[in-house]
Amino acid sequence: QVQLVQSGAEMKKPGASVKVSCKASGYTFTGYYMNWVRQAPGQGLEWMGWINPDSGATHYVQNFRGRVTMTRDTSITTAYMELSRLRSDDTAMYYCARGNYDVWTGYYYLFDSWGQGTLVTVSS
Amino acid sequence: EIVLTQSPGTLSLSPGERGTLSCRASQSVSSYLAWYQQKPGQAPRLLIYSASSRATGIPDRFSGSGSGTDFTLSISRLEPEDFAVYYCQQYGSSPPSFGGGTKVEIK
Repeated sequence: QVQLVQSGAEMKKPGASVKVSCKASGYTFTGYYMNWVRQAPGQGLEWMGWINPDSGATHYVQNFRGRVTMTRDTSITTAYMELSRLRSDDTAMYYCARGNYDVWTGYYYLFDSWGQGTLVTVSS
Repeated sequence: EIVLTQSPGTLSLSPGERGTLSCRASQSVSSYLAWYQQKPGQAPRLLIYSASSRATGIPDRFSGSGSGTDFTLSISRLEPEDFAVYYCQQYGSSPPSFGGGTKVEIK
């Protein structure tokens, strides 16, 4: 079965960077885009962007451009999300989510499997 | 960006009752509308896609309807495990967007 297993909780100081991993199993890693979604404490869901594990191409939402970098290592079927210049309002749970392809739209935005989440806390 | 507005913010119901949740889009999303369930401390789980198709393993007490800008998630008879937060999401245009959520709580 599809499994996405994320790395453990992180505590960082403002201005630092964090790198979260997402290990995929149970499916062809290069066949689905990997998306990243975050959720601040008690808040809703915010999409951050995607990576195409096959080509390495990425697309980031405007809010995070310049601070977020998504990468992957196909040899170990793992996707990564690195966020730099952390601020206190980056404190959130970060999820990876597999994007299912829609043939009509060409998008991979239907999130059919999710990682368990990685809590990133930014505090001085 | 398409804005999704969910109502009500909180729905207080008893087990066995029927729940009806609403999601309205700021512009048409056709049928590219999904519903997710999130329980405390857990990741969201896909319930419904294409506005009305149940995801694998989802009980038939969950049903979705609507198209264009107005959508509904119905839970026919609430089970104790159904008390959670529900989010709608449009996935037909970029960027994908989520509603603010409806919390279904025990009355």
